[in-house]
Amino acid sequence: ETGVTQTPRHLVMGMTNKKSLKCEQHLGHNAMYWYKQSAKKPLELMFVYSLEERVENNSVPSRFSPECPNSSHLFLHLHTLQPEDSALYLCASSQDSGVTDTQYFGPGTRLTVL
Amino acid sequence: AQSVTQPDIHITVSEGASLELRCNYSYGATPYLFWYVQSPGQGLQLLLKYFSGDTLVQGIKGFEAEFKRSQSSFNLRKPSVHWSDAAEYFCAVGAHSISGGYNKLIFGAGTRLAVHP
Repeated sequence: ETGVTQTPRHLVMGMTNKKSLKCEQHLGHNAMYWYKQSAKKPLELMFVYSLEERVENNSVPSRFSPECPNSSHLFLHLHTLQPEDSALYLCASSQDSGVTDTQYFGPGTRLTVL
Repeated sequence: AQSVTQPDIHITVSEGASLELRCNYSYGATPYLFWYVQSPGQGLQLLLKYFSGDTLVQGIKGFEAEFKRSQSSFNLRKPSVHWSDAAEYFCAVGAHSISGGYNKLIFGAGTRLAVHP
């Protein structure tokens, strides 16, 4: 599927590095989301953007910094991460941010922090 | 508190056999329920959803799910499993966020399905 794309698909970084994850949606949606999927936890919502405005920061540490320059693009900037931040990071989008708006997911970025 | 429980972590079935994956939710208001599937190395794909109306909903790939309010369940079924159905399946409930106005999906831990030939 090409509706929601994520780059890179795999990323290995050291604890002192700075990197960014990119998400792009081609569906004309107004809301975008970042989720974290760890091996031992259910999917966790991290951030929600609606019409390019952040509407939720789900108690995420400041070493994760989201950016939504327009309704089609979403970034997650990473700095001074910890090994426990290693996970699959999934981006999703929906038409709007209402409870009945179905979320469509990208393939994810597999992040490994050494 | 809102939560979703998928009691089975792993399930193994033979190809051609029937399948039922269990999902129980805890949510005070009208639940909006979803089933997603995740193939290895892929994101989540929506199988089906329930918002209201007929409690038996049909989805893609021959899947269906039944909403039972009295049991707080939304079990996923398929009459005959194919080898390509091997994947991880996630049940989720859509809920209003505390701050209001957006779709906060609460996921279960997932059920990993293996299919034997």
